Amino acid sequence: GAVVSQHPSRVICKSGTSVKIECRSLDFQATTMFWYRQFPKKSLMLMATSNEGSKATYEQGVEKDKFLINHASLTLSTLTVTSAHPEDSSFYICSARDGQGGNQPQHFGDGTRLSIL
Amino acid sequence: GNSVTQMEGPVTLSEEAFLTINCTYTATGYPSLFWYVQYPGEGLQLLLKATKADDKGSNKGFEATYRKETTSFHLEKGSVQVSDSAVYFCALSKSGNNRKLIWGLGTSLAVNP
Repeated sequence: GAVVSQHPSRVICKSGTSVKIECRSLDFQATTMFWYRQFPKKSLMLMATSNEGSKATYEQGVEKDKFLINHASLTLSTLTVTSAHPEDSSFYICSARDGQGGNQPQHFGDGTRLSIL
Repeated sequence: GNSVTQMEGPVTLSEEAFLTINCTYTATGYPSLFWYVQYPGEGLQLLLKATKADDKGSNKGFEATYRKETTSFHLEKGSVQVSDSAVYFCALSKSGNNRKLIWGLGTSLAVNP
């Protein structure tokens, strides 16, 4: 089945550091990728929708200057948490959809556990 | 607007018990419906899906039937195993708007040996 690789799986860094998370679709082309944030024992919160070659669409309340998204190719999207602070600590998950037509499901990466000290 | 409502957890069962996790939705038209599973410390995996009324999705012994008349997509398994312990998310997807997923809050399942 479709595989999405997310890297790194865990990051621990000091406050003020910028952290980049990569999301790759390994065996399909993903014109659309999604970035989620998950708080402990909570559902997923969609942060932004990323389309290859265009600016990401951010959900209400998500700071686009804080969470920079780049979708430079059909197989790679990156999320950069700029000047991270402890409140940015969370589980970040990306997903990618296989193709544009029909009702293709989203395929998820294994997530990145971000801890800001 | 579109929404998904799941039964609240946590659900605790003994091994080989019957499982039902209720999911109902609100949406116009004909959404696609999904169940995703999240094992401890991992990302989400698609468990099963259904794209039209009366479709039955099935995988790994789990089943869910798309019931338009009751706007439901309940997840069932006849005999759960310890390895089924996870959080289960019901979701719907509409056409257009990049077909974003609308998520339920998730139901935590713990299966005891």
